[in-house]
Amino acid sequence: AQSVTQLDSQVPVFEEAPVELRCNYSSSVSVYLFWYVQYPNQGLQLLLKYLSGSTLVKGINGFEAEFNKSQTSFHLRKPSVHISDTAEYFCAVTPSNFGNEKLTFGTGTRLTIIP
Amino acid sequence: NAGVTQTPKFRILKIGQSMTLQCTQDMNHNYMYWYRQDPGMGLKLIYYSVGAGITDKGEVPNGYNVSRSTTEDFPLRLELAAPSQTSVYFCARRQKVRVSHEQYFGPGTRLTVT
Repeated sequence: AQSVTQLDSQVPVFEEAPVELRCNYSSSVSVYLFWYVQYPNQGLQLLLKYLSGSTLVKGINGFEAEFNKSQTSFHLRKPSVHISDTAEYFCAVTPSNFGNEKLTFGTGTRLTIIP
Repeated sequence: NAGVTQTPKFRILKIGQSMTLQCTQDMNHNYMYWYRQDPGMGLKLIYYSVGAGITDKGEVPNGYNVSRSTTEDFPLRLELAAPSQTSVYFCARRQKVRVSHEQYFGPGTRLTVT
């Protein structure tokens, strides 16, 4: 079984400052990793994903994440945030063996941008 | 809506009532999912389906039922609504191909049981 831990439930950041949202996972098998964003009163939207290859992946809206296998982490970063980045961010994991269809989500991090 | 339509958007039920949350996708994807989202809890998988006629339980299936008679539709049924089922419900779809593992979510149904 897999599990995902997002240690920070809320992160306030000043506009144009950098941000890092932390995600750690636990799994006995290789995994694929995802970050989803949920804007207020909307569904979830894929921000970026790691399947294989380069451990630094770039997503939409200037976000990037780095996969660190030894630390079992997949932290999300943005060098300069904007008011429009205010949203809830979810880290998710799925086993990489094809045939397992389920995503396991973390509990989410609410990012609040302070003008 | 990422090719996933959910109806209704909002609903208030009384305890013991029943209802069906509708989910339709227009991408001909095999995999579909139902999640519930509660504050501070992330998303919990209720049921999922890997194709028409095939469904399986997720993490929190009690109090719910599903069916998948067509590829397009995946309705979620609440038979005897309880206050604990107050939540936001999301339906999602996913392709059955090796290179694609991401799920695409509908806009959600906000359900209140009083």
